[in-house]
Amino acid sequence: KQEVTQIPAALSVPEGENLVLNCSFTDSAIYNLQWFRQDPGKGLTSLLLIQSSQREQTSGRLNASLDKSSGRSTLYIAASQPGDSATYLCAVSLLGSGGYNKLIFGAGTRLAVHP
Amino acid sequence: DGGITQSPKYLFRKEGQNVTLSCEQNLNHDAMYWYRQDPGQGLRLIYYSQIVNDFQKGDIAEGYSVSREKKESFPLTVTSAQKNPTAFYLCASSISARQRDTQYFGPGTRLTVL
Repeated sequence: KQEVTQIPAALSVPEGENLVLNCSFTDSAIYNLQWFRQDPGKGLTSLLLIQSSQREQTSGRLNASLDKSSGRSTLYIAASQPGDSATYLCAVSLLGSGGYNKLIFGAGTRLAVHP
Repeated sequence: DGGITQSPKYLFRKEGQNVTLSCEQNLNHDAMYWYRQDPGQGLRLIYYSQIVNDFQKGDIAEGYSVSREKKESFPLTVTSAQKNPTAFYLCASSISARQRDTQYFGPGTRLTVL
């Protein structure tokens, strides 16, 4: 059974720091891995999607890496800003038993960036 | 504007009541999904639908029901059989249910049992 774990559960940093969020998964047979952002009481916004054949993806100050063999992904946020404060969720994509795109989510890392 | 809308934003239910959460999308997506989110846990799939008039149970379907009579609508009913319904409910859609198609999420409905 695929399980996704995110460490740390919460993180508080001063503005300007570079930081790393971690995601691990137990079964390497994934199709892709996705990082989402969730603001309090809101839906999910996709940040980066890494296909299983890729090693990393970049978007602005965000960089996500994937090591499928070791079951790990990291989300690197450069020069953090208070606007980055949110919960960051990691999800892996599997083939569900009904032949659909099944996403397995981690519990998230709650990030607070203070001025 | 294209997107996914969910209503209401907040919903309160008394013990023993059925309630229905609305999800509408104007993205012309074939596939739609319902997830439940509890504090400190990841999202869990309740039901999904790959096409109109078809839907399948996800990992935690007990106490829930859905219908898919129109392509743009996928309402979720939380029945009285769901013993712990207080949670944040998220609807999503994708072009199809194939693995290469990204899921897009709505803003969510917070359900509280009084």
